[in-house]
Amino acid sequence: AQKITQTQPGMFVQEKEAVTLDCTYDTSDQSYGLFWYKQPSSGEMIFLIYQGSYDEQNATEGRYSLNFQKARKSANLVISASQLGDSAMYFCAMREVGIKAAGNKLTFGGGTRVLVKP
Amino acid sequence: ETGVTQTPRHLVMGMTNKKSLKCEQHLGHNAMYWYKQSAKKPLELMFVYNFKEQTENNSVPSRFSPECPNSSHLFLHLHTLQPEDSALYLCASSQDRDSAYEQYFGPGTRLTVT
Repeated sequence: AQKITQTQPGMFVQEKEAVTLDCTYDTSDQSYGLFWYKQPSSGEMIFLIYQGSYDEQNATEGRYSLNFQKARKSANLVISASQLGDSAMYFCAMREVGIKAAGNKLTFGGGTRVLVKP
Repeated sequence: ETGVTQTPRHLVMGMTNKKSLKCEQHLGHNAMYWYKQSAKKPLELMFVYNFKEQTENNSVPSRFSPECPNSSHLFLHLHTLQPEDSALYLCASSQDRDSAYEQYFGPGTRLTVT
């Protein structure tokens, strides 16, 4: 079974509007971290936001917010006021802290391509 | 220079060639990683180094040989590759292997095996 599932292969969003990118995860660990990365066409993976499994509040970083629903095992990324520079691939990733052998191993989803239209 | 750098950015090599990819991080981190990103596949972890010691080899073929001479540098030595090895190879670093910190990625090396 996939540990990280991103069901939206691609999305269009109008400039200045908000967009929600879906991410569901599968783990039996109680302690884990969820990450979102942005990958523009240049290839670099840019860290956006982090949510710990014990964090009670949803993480926010500027225009990025993470809608964390632990019971549903979902960690959706919300980008508000989209800009043309937001066009990129977006990856959800999970790190299971409870399994010692995993260390800081990140498991990535398949990604969602976002295209912002002017 | 800041962050994580990788050289070369693009590499074309024949199946009989030997080449090396280089990664350098300027963040004072102690853990470094190699990932492979193929078309239409999720990012795959290849190797993990923590304080210069290899802590994970994710069933990577022996034609890929990593080297970590110090906490700031990571190499991936390539020899007798196959066309299916063509991919974007990303290097990353983090504070250390077991901490809660995020990983920072380099820009990647786009490898084409002919």
